[in-house]
Amino acid sequence: QVQLQESGPGLVKPLQTLSLTCTVSGGSINSGGYYWYWIRQHPAKGLEWIGYIHHSGDTYYNPSLKSRVTISVDTSKNHFSLNLNSVTAADTALYYCARARGYSYGYAFDPWGQGTLVTVSS
Amino acid sequence: EVVLTQSPGTLSLSPGERVTLSCRASQTISSKYLAWYQQKPGQAPRLFIYGASSRATGIPDRFSGSGSGTDFSLTITRLEPEDFAMYFCQYYGTSSYTFGQGTKLEIK
Repeated sequence: QVQLQESGPGLVKPLQTLSLTCTVSGGSINSGGYYWYWIRQHPAKGLEWIGYIHHSGDTYYNPSLKSRVTISVDTSKNHFSLNLNSVTAADTALYYCARARGYSYGYAFDPWGQGTLVTVSS
Repeated sequence: EVVLTQSPGTLSLSPGERVTLSCRASQTISSKYLAWYQQKPGQAPRLFIYGASSRATGIPDRFSGSGSGTDFSLTITRLEPEDFAMYFCQYYGTSSYTFGQGTKLEIK
């Protein structure tokens, strides 16, 4: 059973770069042709998708965040990472990684990581 | 951009009751890409329903999803104590995702 686990600093200073890693266990990030996502949850704004990466390296980002986001993959470590630069308080959120199932599942997210809270503050 | 509106925001019910949660899209969407998630405090969302009506692995049959066009619903036939949680609907379309704001089921 595939499991995902986020890791990274819980506190980031304004205008710095938020960096998180999602480690995949119980399966290979290379297999199945899945798309691996970052999603965040604001208390007030709800859930927002950030972007995805495929093991091939293909990426796609939410247009609202595209200028600040980079997602990368390290297949040798079976993990993928998120970098979000020039952060502000508006980037304070619970950050999740998740796997998007394929066409037969309507690209629903399953499973999700447990989430990690990132606070932007000086 | 599709907007998903869930109603009501909060429902207070008792175990054993039947409940239907609503998710309305701002335009006609394909039911194939409509999903429902359950989220409990301090936990990640868990996929419950995909394709508007298909239960994910391990989801009890008291949960059912239905709908088409702009109106979708999640029904729980007999609420169990573990069902009291937040429920989100989500739509995938043209390489982007939209989430509803959620409906919170609380114990009366």
